[in-house]
Amino acid sequence: GAGVSQSPSNKVTEKGKDVELRCDPISGHTALYWYRQSLGQGLEFLIYFQGNSAPDKSGLPSDRFSAERTGGSVSTLTIQRTQQEDSAVYLCASSLDPGGRNEQYFGPGTRLTVT
Amino acid sequence: RKEVEQDPGPFNVPEGATVAFNCTYSNSASQSFFWYRQDCRKEPKLLMSVYSSGNEDGRFTAQLNRASQYISLLIRDSKLSDSATYLCVVNKGNQGGKLIFGQGTELSVKP
Repeated sequence: GAGVSQSPSNKVTEKGKDVELRCDPISGHTALYWYRQSLGQGLEFLIYFQGNSAPDKSGLPSDRFSAERTGGSVSTLTIQRTQQEDSAVYLCASSLDPGGRNEQYFGPGTRLTVT
Repeated sequence: RKEVEQDPGPFNVPEGATVAFNCTYSNSASQSFFWYRQDCRKEPKLLMSVYSSGNEDGRFTAQLNRASQYISLLIRDSKLSDSATYLCVVNKGNQGGKLIFGQGTELSVKP
């Protein structure tokens, strides 16, 4: 079946501009996660959506970052006034059973470059 | 102390070798454990979940020691295609679906 998809695959933007990154989770998966991975670094948790519950935003690095998930499916991560340190790969994952085994499946990521 | 710690490697081994990766975690309330594989410039892919009794999937064997908060991955008869970074992943115990990823152990299998 279809996996997690993300768009765009690459985004180059100028410092100070806003960007929107999109994630389509696996159909039927109730949980959706955003991570980012800087070059040569590990995964950094950003935000987690589970069903209709309030999202866990504890990983968002600043108030320039926000995310929403509409209709319990597609999610958009927005970065306002981008800075060079925002350059990274932004990965989305979804999970069928977050309260149980919570096996997460990742999309291919969006590579963001802020110039 | 990091919540999930791994030896970063790199591990350089010849084809056919057996290689073992270790990982320790700090949260004793963690209940779910995984090994993911990440190829260069690709997303992480789930390799296997780790169960309390230990589990095997072909050439891969995972072990969990809850008392020591230690997880291992053994790869037998390594192939060139096993070259990747292996991520130890643990759920955040009482924080529901949050997973904590280790920094990864790099494996390079040479002919």
